[in-house]
Amino acid sequence: AQTVTQSQPEMSVQEAETVTLSCTYDTSESDYYLFWYKQPPSRQMILVIRQEAYKQQNATENRFSVNFQKAAKSFSLKISDSQLGDAAMYFCAWVPNAGGTSYGKLTFGQGTILTVHP
Amino acid sequence: EAGVTQSPTHLIKTRGQQATLRCSPISGHTSVYWYQQALGLGLQFLLWYDEGEERNRGNFPPRFSGRQFPNYSSELNVNALELEDSALYLCASSFPGGRRNTEAFFGQGTRLTVV
Repeated sequence: AQTVTQSQPEMSVQEAETVTLSCTYDTSESDYYLFWYKQPPSRQMILVIRQEAYKQQNATENRFSVNFQKAAKSFSLKISDSQLGDAAMYFCAWVPNAGGTSYGKLTFGQGTILTVHP
Repeated sequence: EAGVTQSPTHLIKTRGQQATLRCSPISGHTSVYWYQQALGLGLQFLLWYDEGEERNRGNFPPRFSGRQFPNYSSELNVNALELEDSALYLCASSFPGGRRNTEAFFGQGTRLTVV
């Protein structure tokens, strides 16, 4: 069975500093997508960044970047120049890219609560 | 363009009753997914509907059921409510499977409280 593990229940960072959230996953699939979702107090899940397993280059979206280590099955999220608005629960998620796969049937980690201190 | 909308925002029911939650997907999306987010348990996949058919379900009892309408909106029904059904229920939508470079968009959820 596929599993996604986030070993940090809570993390904190000072405004303008950098923080890294960890995620590991277990799968026998070779082609898949990995995602980081953000869930602020408003409860709506917002996609932060997406990584395709067949791409070796790490994805980057403005202040957000990932360190994707396929062999180690590791997918960490780095937030640079942290802002107060980054405070939220962050979820790592996985979905296989097999034929006919639904990209919405995600396997999520348990989440990491990120606090940003002014 | 409107996002995924869910109603109601909050729902309070008594143990043993039935709850109905509703979801409208983004225009053009035919797949709808339901997730349960219980305190301390993360998001658990519940159901996937596409083109009016149930495509997959997670490890939940049969009293969790739903349907998808011709306009692709969806209902989640929870029968014989139990206290542990109290959770945030999130709906997401996407284009159908098999298309690359797509993602699931989530609604703001329905907070179900069973008393």
